[in-house]
Order: sequence, then structure tokens, then C-alpha cells
Amino acid sequence: EADIYQTPRYLVIGTGKKITLECSQTMGHDKMYWYQQDPGMELHLIHYSYGVNSTEKGDLSSESTVSRIRTEHFPLTLESARPSHTSQYLCASSGSAGREWYNEQFFGPGTRLTVL
Amino acid sequence: AQSVTQPDIHITVSEGASLELRCNYSYGATPYLFWYVQSPGQGLQLLLKYFSGDTLVQGIKGFEAEFKRSQSSFNLRKPSVHWSDAAEYFCAVGHRTNKLIFGTGTLLAVQP
Repeated sequence: EADIYQTPRYLVIGTGKKITLECSQTMGHDKMYWYQQDPGMELHLIHYSYGVNSTEKGDLSSESTVSRIRTEHFPLTLESARPSHTSQYLCASSGSAGREWYNEQFFGPGTRLTVL
Repeated sequence: AQSVTQPDIHITVSEGASLELRCNYSYGATPYLFWYVQSPGQGLQLLLKYFSGDTLVQGIKGFEAEFKRSQSSFNLRKPSVHWSDAAEYFCAVGHRTNKLIFGTGTLLAVQP
């Protein structure tokens, strides 16, 4: 079954630790995205990728970095976590089928990160 | 700049009652509009989308939305709410670079 996965679902970690949030999709989508979502706030795009070896920063500035070495995998890394990074991180993907310039984004379940 | 406004942060309705969630957008060209639903601890699921054509759009789970260009609105409706509809609802406008711009969401509570 085609899907999009995120691990871990919940992470509590101390300040200064390096963390990597995993995101994988089995739909063969070329486009992938990372959103940051704070309680009661809108989702903000922090990173996106239009294909392998392509990464761009989103509308919201973030200290995290991403990589896209394989089509199906789009991990997000924080080199040194801080309490200000506490948030929910949602990964999404979309394909490029058809003539429409926009294709539906499919979202993973999210990772809720707490930095103490 | 493109933006989406959801004026209602929290709405409570009784089970079986009708529902309307408001969404207003600001976009320079013909908008591509979406409604997503997020259940607790889950990712976002697409309810419906408007690209062009008929301004009344049918979605999953019995939801519909009407695009009104004159009012820059894309309100979500359901004639009879079920307890399982309790969730957070996000309106979004699609940018030509395939990005989505989201509203702040409306949290729906359903009373028995």
C-alpha cells in the first residue's frame, strides 16, 4: 500500500543533541515537503524538494537542514536542538502526473518534537 | 501576498446539526483552494479541492465547499455532523510553485 511514513512519532530530547526526523514515501513522488506546525498556528513550509539532489528552503526560516539522496527518503536534521525547536513537524509528498501544475500533497502522521 | 484567513478558531456544534466553516483567501490570480482535516495525532487528509469549473465542490465524508469569487471565500459545509467529524480543519490556497499556504485552522468540537 502506497503511503508516507514518519519516525519517530514522538521525541523528547535534551538541548544540544543532534536529531534526525525520518520521512519516507512509497508512492514514487518526486516532490517532498517539510512543514512546521505549532499549536493553534498554521502550517509553515520550511523545506521542499522537487527531486533527488534538489532541496530548497521554504517560507519560514528554519535552522534545520534536509537532504534528498533517494526519491523515497527526505530526512530533516537539527544539528543542535534547542527548546525553540519544540513543535510538530509534518512531511508531505506529491507527484507530477497529468497536465495540472498542482498535484495533491499527501501528509505523513507527523513527529512531535519536544526539546527540554 | 497570498494569505488564508479562518476567522473561527474554535467551533462547537451538536451532533446532527449542520456545519459551516469559514475561509477567506487573498490571491492575485485564480486560486486553487483546498480543505484538509487533521485528527488528533494524525497527519492532514484532503477533504476536497477546487481548481476550476463548478463552484460547488463535493468531497469525502459528506463535506462540500462553495467557491465565491466575489467574496473571496471557500466555506466548508456539512448538512449533519457526526461525532467522528471532531478534528481540526485547515483551508489552504495552492501556489503556482506547488506550495500550499495554510490558514490557522478551525478546531471543531461535536457535542452529543
